[in-house]
Amino acid sequence: EAGVAQSPRYKIIEKRQSVAFWCNPISGHATLYWYQQILGQGPKLLIQFQNNGVVDDSQLPKDRFSAERLKGVDSTLKIQPAKLEDSAVYLCASSLPVNTEAFFGQGTRLTVV
Amino acid sequence: GENVEQHPSTLSVQEGDSAVIKCTYSDSASNYFPWYKQELGKGPQLIIDIRSNVGEKKDQRIAVTLNKTAKHFSLHITETQPEDSAVYFCAASFSGSARQLTFGSGTQLTVLP
Repeated sequence: EAGVAQSPRYKIIEKRQSVAFWCNPISGHATLYWYQQILGQGPKLLIQFQNNGVVDDSQLPKDRFSAERLKGVDSTLKIQPAKLEDSAVYLCASSLPVNTEAFFGQGTRLTVV
Repeated sequence: GENVEQHPSTLSVQEGDSAVIKCTYSDSASNYFPWYKQELGKGPQLIIDIRSNVGEKKDQRIAVTLNKTAKHFSLHITETQPEDSAVYFCAASFSGSARQLTFGSGTQLTVLP
């Protein structure tokens, strides 16, 4: 089966610019996650969707980050305006309903200069 | 919230030797403990997981042990091979209404030929 697709793979932007990442989960996976992975650290959950509803966004910096999953399939994560500390790999993952394995995409490496 | 600590941060072993990575967690409600392998430029991939009703699980050269009383779990890789070189992450979650993984900080495993 096709895996989790993410684009772009790499993005370099200047601070205060905006950027958007796209994720297409595995077909049929109702749960979608966005994680932030700073170099040398483990992934940190930003937001979790169940279909098109938000389950948890407690760690999402809502003053600059936003995410949506309008039709309960693919999702976009946006940062506006970006800060230097947002430089990280942004990972999307998906899973069947709870208690099953989460499959990760390859991630988008963001560099803010 | 949950806090997961992982040790060591780097580990070098000779090919054919065993490798052990240890993690501790803080939330006694956590009941699902997966291990992920992340190769350079790729997203994390699940290699083995264990649930709290089991003390040990093995899959070929990989095994995981769980001590719920002490709140720690370990990954054991036997007969290591160069292709085992990667970053390994432990994680913990409570598989209740939503699966929210808290990751450790990762272990860079290098298998020397």
